[in-house]
Amino acid sequence: DTAVSQTPKYLVTQMGNDKSIKCEQNLGHDTMYWYKQDSKKFLKIMFSYNNKELIINETVPNRFSPKSPDKAHLNLHINSLELGDSAVYFCASSQEASGGALRFFGPGTRLTVL
Amino acid sequence: GNSVTQMEGPVTLSEEAFLTINCTYTATGYPSLFWYVQYPGEGLQLLLKATKADDKGSNKGFEATYRKETTSFHLEKGSVQVSDSAVYFCALYNAGNNRKLIWGLGTSLAVNP
Repeated sequence: DTAVSQTPKYLVTQMGNDKSIKCEQNLGHDTMYWYKQDSKKFLKIMFSYNNKELIINETVPNRFSPKSPDKAHLNLHINSLELGDSAVYFCASSQEASGGALRFFGPGTRLTVL
Repeated sequence: GNSVTQMEGPVTLSEEAFLTINCTYTATGYPSLFWYVQYPGEGLQLLLKATKADDKGSNKGFEATYRKETTSFHLEKGSVQVSDSAVYFCALYNAGNNRKLIWGLGTSLAVNP
């Protein structure tokens, strides 16, 4: 009965490859997010979707493309991976009707680009 | 604009010591304030929150009071445990800020037995 789940938990890949990370929430929330956390624990918002509509799109290279097939899922596809993409990527969800501030986070996907 | 400033870590304490992690903010209007905790190898989880001035959030022995006059939301615990070792993030939510949660840089806490 995990609230926000991500797969895979670990991802090791070569530079130049394309990879995807999947996220699912079973909380009935209407908003989902992708965050990137670097090695210094700095947390940066990348994208946010509300009811499958993109509402936050920070300055992220267009090699990163989020896709929300329905409001319970938000996937992240990354093309042409670079060394600097190595980080932990967190998915989160929230319910806008209750203010939208409370974020429920997934366990993270540790991406290592070699 | 909106911003959050946290004290830099790492903070290292002995078990049962008193903890304070400072957090100050800059915001227009009346933001909500939060502390999130990230245990090793896990995602962030909400620790406590306060939605208006003078509110005190509390959870698991941690407390923080929303002080509008000093624009602060310092996290305190009277007696830390080894299991409190984690990274603590202060965050601010301003409804008019395009639904963004503004994060501090995080403060790493290590508690030694």
